[in-house]
Amino acid sequence: AQKITQTQPGMFVQEKEAVTLDCTYDTSDPSYGLFWYKQPSSGEMIFLIYQGSYDQQNATEGRYSLNFQKARKSANLVISASQLGDSAMYFCAMREGRNTGNQFYFGTGTSLTVIP
Amino acid sequence: GAVVSQHPSRVICKSGTSVKIECRSLDFQATTMFWYRQFPKKSLMLMATSNEGSKATYEQGVEKDKFLINHASLTLSTLTVTSAHPEDSSFYICSARAHYNEQFFGPGTRLTVL
Repeated sequence: AQKITQTQPGMFVQEKEAVTLDCTYDTSDPSYGLFWYKQPSSGEMIFLIYQGSYDQQNATEGRYSLNFQKARKSANLVISASQLGDSAMYFCAMREGRNTGNQFYFGTGTSLTVIP
Repeated sequence: GAVVSQHPSRVICKSGTSVKIECRSLDFQATTMFWYRQFPKKSLMLMATSNEGSKATYEQGVEKDKFLINHASLTLSTLTVTSAHPEDSSFYICSARAHYNEQFFGPGTRLTVL
């Protein structure tokens, strides 16, 4: 089974609007971390936000927030007030276990295009 | 934050030649480095886990004789694509694990084999 599933290959959003990128995950480990990365056309992976499995509150980082629904095993990324520079690929990733050195499992990504 | 570099950022080579890609942790020591491969508009796929001073652990389906990994020091891991062919053309990304356990990604290397 896929560890990380992103069902939206492409998304469009109007500038200044909010957009939600979906991510569901599959693990039997009670301890895990969920990540979102942005990958512009240059290729570098830019860390956006992190949610730990034991975190009580949803993570927020500036315009990024993570809608963590543990029972549904979903970790959707919400980008508020979209900007043209937000156009990029977005990857959801999971790391299982308590060891933060463990490998990442990545989803297939969502291509976001912000329309002026 | 911690910085990981990759060299070269882009490389074009002829079929049959070998190409070495370096992954360096610039301001921390990395006991573990990971090598990923990414095809256009696809996800990152883990190729191997590289531990300093020991043999790399390869994921299923990755040819260890084709993709040679050397992690000779705490700040450098190298991936050598031997006898490269056009199907090896891809984007290769490394990540490095700091001693305090967080991981950081390199900027990637785009390999084109003609």
